[in-house]
Amino acid sequence: DIVMTQTPLSLSVTPGQPASISCRSSQSLLQSDGKTYIYWYLQKSGQPPQLLIYEVSKRFSGVPDRFSGSGSGTDFTLKISRVEAEDVGIFYCMQNIQLPPTFGGGTKVEIK
Amino acid sequence: QVNLVQSGAEVKKPGASVKVSCKASGYIFSAYGISWVRQARGQGLEWMGWISPYNRNTNYAQKFQDRVTMTADTSTNTAYMEVRSLRSDDTGVYYCARDSINGEIDYWGQGTLVTVSS
Repeated sequence: DIVMTQTPLSLSVTPGQPASISCRSSQSLLQSDGKTYIYWYLQKSGQPPQLLIYEVSKRFSGVPDRFSGSGSGTDFTLKISRVEAEDVGIFYCMQNIQLPPTFGGGTKVEIK
Repeated sequence: QVNLVQSGAEVKKPGASVKVSCKASGYIFSAYGISWVRQARGQGLEWMGWISPYNRNTNYAQKFQDRVTMTADTSTNTAYMEVRSLRSDDTGVYYCARDSINGEIDYWGQGTLVTVSS
């Protein structure tokens, strides 16, 4: 199975400041079709995960533009340009290039 | 709007079975797969398997292959997951989620808490 490694484990951010989360995969997530199968989710307390970013950098419907994704191959980053109080929760990366889909261990974001 | 509504919380004894349902609305049910993802208390996300409501094809994670069965009923737009021979470490929240042919798992159900305890 592809191993997804996220850093840091946790992040404490002042509202209005930027935040960055990294995700590294044990194999390249670039498929022969040219797509890179990495996704980012946010799970708020007591809720299911919600899709933020798909295929590295595409924002899902309704996701604010303060969220952005970047990277290639095996190294990826999720950035929040200005953290808001509603961004508190656990962020997960996921790969879906190869079965089974696997998730990173999560990065907990809290507000200072 | 896309909506996935799961059945309510369950309490089971070790060795028993549980069947969780996931009723979809707001999209063409047979056009997307349904993945099931487990989250043990305070833990991360673990993909269990997938079913295509269109042709009933399934793909299970190796870890669950012997104990899990996923089914789908296109007449009621409902997917089901049964887990047999429950153990205490099966305790957790089980999510169904819509799985696009493009690879994204986009919309999730609210989750079903399954507690396995003697």
